[in-house]
Amino acid sequence: AQSVAQPEDQVNVAEGNPLTVKCTYSVSGNPYLFWYVQYPNRGLQFLLKYITGDNLVKGSYGFEAEFNKSQTSFHLKKPSALVSDSALYFCAVRDGPHSNYQLIWGAGTKLIIKP
Amino acid sequence: DTGVSQDPRHKITKRGQNVTFRCDPISEHNRLYWYRQTLGQGPEFLTYFQNEAQLEKSRLLSDRFSAERPKGSFSTLEIQRTEQGDSAMYLCASIGLLNTGELFFGEGSRLTVL
Repeated sequence: AQSVAQPEDQVNVAEGNPLTVKCTYSVSGNPYLFWYVQYPNRGLQFLLKYITGDNLVKGSYGFEAEFNKSQTSFHLKKPSALVSDSALYFCAVRDGPHSNYQLIWGAGTKLIIKP
Repeated sequence: DTGVSQDPRHKITKRGQNVTFRCDPISEHNRLYWYRQTLGQGPEFLTYFQNEAQLEKSRLLSDRFSAERPKGSFSTLEIQRTEQGDSAMYLCASIGLLNTGELFFGEGSRLTVL
């Protein structure tokens, strides 16, 4: 069965420190992987995606993510956190190009950046 | 602003009333999705359209829920005889044919059923 796991409900990081938000997935085919961010009472904003190619993908607001096929992971990273990065982060996966664009979503990780 | 607009942004209603939400996707996007999101949870798929055809509905979508996209442009989601358990954020998203999977979300419509 297809699934996405975000093992941490909350991640706390001091401003200026590097941050990592974890995501692991399970799909039967080739994964299309996505990260979205959600600010309070707002919709979801796309951050970045991995479809194919370089395992390290760069996205909006200085975020990047590394696709690791052997560990079935797609962790979100940023070298230096900002207080404004505090938000809810969702990882999502799609089972390759033959699905109906349906995304399987993780439960979300609340990121808190402390000044 | 992603270009997907939803209306209204907030709706407070009494149990038993009907409510309708509207979504205007990005104009060239032919696929449109409705999701429901409760506090602290990820989005739950409700239904999706390709042009005007409703191609898939979740089992979450009870008989009280109906969605339409009559001309393949905007869509409406109606909830009849609302229940307190319907209180949630209703999200609309769209995607074009050539896109590799990035959904563009609207700001959502928050429903509170008293």
